[in-house]
Amino acid sequence: QQQVKQSPQSLIVQKGGISIINCAYENTAFDYFPWYQQFPGKGPALLIAIRPDVSEKKEGRFTISFNKSAKQFSLHIMDSQPGDSATYFCAASLASNTGKLIFGQGTTLQVKP
Amino acid sequence: GAVVSQHPSRVICKSGTSVKIECRSLDFQATTMFWYRQFPKQSLMLMATSNEGSKATYEQGVEKDKFLINHASLTLSTLTVTSAHPEDSSFYICSARRTWERALLYEQYFGPGTRLTVT
Repeated sequence: QQQVKQSPQSLIVQKGGISIINCAYENTAFDYFPWYQQFPGKGPALLIAIRPDVSEKKEGRFTISFNKSAKQFSLHIMDSQPGDSATYFCAASLASNTGKLIFGQGTTLQVKP
Repeated sequence: GAVVSQHPSRVICKSGTSVKIECRSLDFQATTMFWYRQFPKQSLMLMATSNEGSKATYEQGVEKDKFLINHASLTLSTLTVTSAHPEDSSFYICSARRTWERALLYEQYFGPGTRLTVT
């Protein structure tokens, strides 16, 4: 019940296209859903996050869509750029459980020029 | 965003020695910090939750006597890998939890990671 399932494992998108990564969770008590971007040899960087009281959050080219009833959330990267090529992790956490993050398996995104 | 630093960024040590990794939250106080381990092309594996002024909580399967965690202040947590062996070679990443609104709202920021190689 603590799992977060992420798909696809890898994704290739042309420059200017839309990258979409999906995550599904089981625990309905989760109250925080962040996305992290990680470049090789670096720590994950917080990209954007959402809480279950909203269905969508947009920051620049990055949008999270959240479907509480389906227990799913997704990251959309609009106008994808080669510099977006990285590994993306979704996560979920629970404030009452120290806020420790349960990570998805990760998606390696390659944006072709 | 908030800044979390780690030191050292890379360390090579001989088998049997101990290595200490520091994690600092630079512009906020963190009552809770986390330590992760990451293998190549894999997700992050939580090792332990570190709470300021109290003992760390280790995840199942993580040897607490091997991975010593100390969270002595609101901005510093340390991970000491004791009697390191080649199988401990990995990428170790810390994170710090920034809270507000009486901890009902929070975000977690990661350090840049430490590459440990045990020879």
